[in-house]
Amino acid sequence: GEDVEQSLFLSVREGDSSVINCTYTDSSSTYLYWYKQEPGAGLQLLTYIFSNMDMKQDQRLTVLLNKKDKHLSLRIADTQTGDSAIYFCAERTSGTYKYIFGTGTRLKVLA
Amino acid sequence: EAQVTQNPRYLITVTGKKLTVTCSQNMNHEYMSWYRQDPGLGLRQIYYSMNVEVTDKGDVPEGYKVSRKEKRNFPLILESPSPNQTSLYFCASSLSRTSAETQYFGPGTRLLVL
Repeated sequence: GEDVEQSLFLSVREGDSSVINCTYTDSSSTYLYWYKQEPGAGLQLLTYIFSNMDMKQDQRLTVLLNKKDKHLSLRIADTQTGDSAIYFCAERTSGTYKYIFGTGTRLKVLA
Repeated sequence: EAQVTQNPRYLITVTGKKLTVTCSQNMNHEYMSWYRQDPGLGLRQIYYSMNVEVTDKGDVPEGYKVSRKEKRNFPLILESPSPNQTSLYFCASSLSRTSAETQYFGPGTRLLVL
């Protein structure tokens, strides 16, 4: 069945790059999303990529997609303390409303 | 301001006492959904609705009911809450399934069932 997996924790020093990884199983035409959840708040969309793309860059965020291995990563350059949050990877098959979320990766940025 | 609102934000109740969590969106979105978030499990979909009077089960529907009588509202009903329904609940809405348009999430409702 469909599944999205992420590691649970990541700790980095302020100013370093963070890389959050995700693997997914759906092989159909798929949208892949990264959401950020700050304490006490809902999920906020950071970026997304379609499964026919390899890479997407948006300011400090870079998304890389390895379609062969069904591996998705989110790189945050120059990580700041304000980036401390839980990051969720999610997939959605094009033409459907069904989202599959990963468990979330808690990023802790050390000053 | 485009938004998804949920009420209440926090709720403590006792086993068996019926409760309703409301969800409303002002973006004229067709699709609405309820999720629960539990530590180590991520978000799991409870129910979703593709339009007025059209609802379907998600991955964890047991113990929950929903209704979609109007496009903007999608309440979540717990007829007889149990402690294993203690969780953080999110409502979300989306315009279209044919584009990259993603879901917009409400702020969450934290429920404790004693």
